[in-house]
Amino acid sequence: NAGVTQTPKFQVLKTGQSMTLQCAQDMNHNSMYWYRQDPGMGLRLIYYSASEGTTDKGEVPNGYNVSRLNKREFSLRLESAAPSQTSVYFCASSLWTGGTDTQYFGPGTRLTVL
Amino acid sequence: GEDVEQSLFLSVREGDSSVINCTYTDSSSTYLYWYKQEPGAGLQLLTYIFSNMDMKQDQRLTVLLNKKDKHLSLRIADTQTGDSAIYFCAEVTDKLIFGTGTRLQVFP
Repeated sequence: NAGVTQTPKFQVLKTGQSMTLQCAQDMNHNSMYWYRQDPGMGLRLIYYSASEGTTDKGEVPNGYNVSRLNKREFSLRLESAAPSQTSVYFCASSLWTGGTDTQYFGPGTRLTVL
Repeated sequence: GEDVEQSLFLSVREGDSSVINCTYTDSSSTYLYWYKQEPGAGLQLLTYIFSNMDMKQDQRLTVLLNKKDKHLSLRIADTQTGDSAIYFCAEVTDKLIFGTGTRLQVFP
């Protein structure tokens, strides 16, 4: 039982390049989330998927797209990376949304955009 | 609006108590959480408190909630070097809103 896994752990991109961050969970959770963490700003929600087949915007969705590939996997795509997207990205999952279910976090992906 | 605030840094001596404070703005919050983030790792749930409680104790951790002032605190008794981390409070309404995080440094 690995919990929430993310790949890659580190990535450096040039401005304008694209990439997809992968996330998978093996806890049979229905809801999955993508956050970004920036110094002094805590975690901010980018997108979430309340259940398989649905996705919704969070607080900071601009410049990102997501795909809920199946119940286990939720990917985050940067179509044209910008330096402002340099951040640490965390994926999380919970049994359901609504906050009463604990969110479990992956180890994070550190992305640098030059 | 939704806003959760914390002080950025706290430094304590090993063996002393640490108190990390948090203020939130949404009085409809149902749960309040404390998460711990160790260097290079994701967030780990430490403890949580229901909004109808004033206090919760869990081993070395004590959570106090003042709903009138919308103030939450986490007290760590007998702080150890392994407690050095960033601590996030988070409030729950229809989603989870995180504070900015408090970096706790424990020195011998």
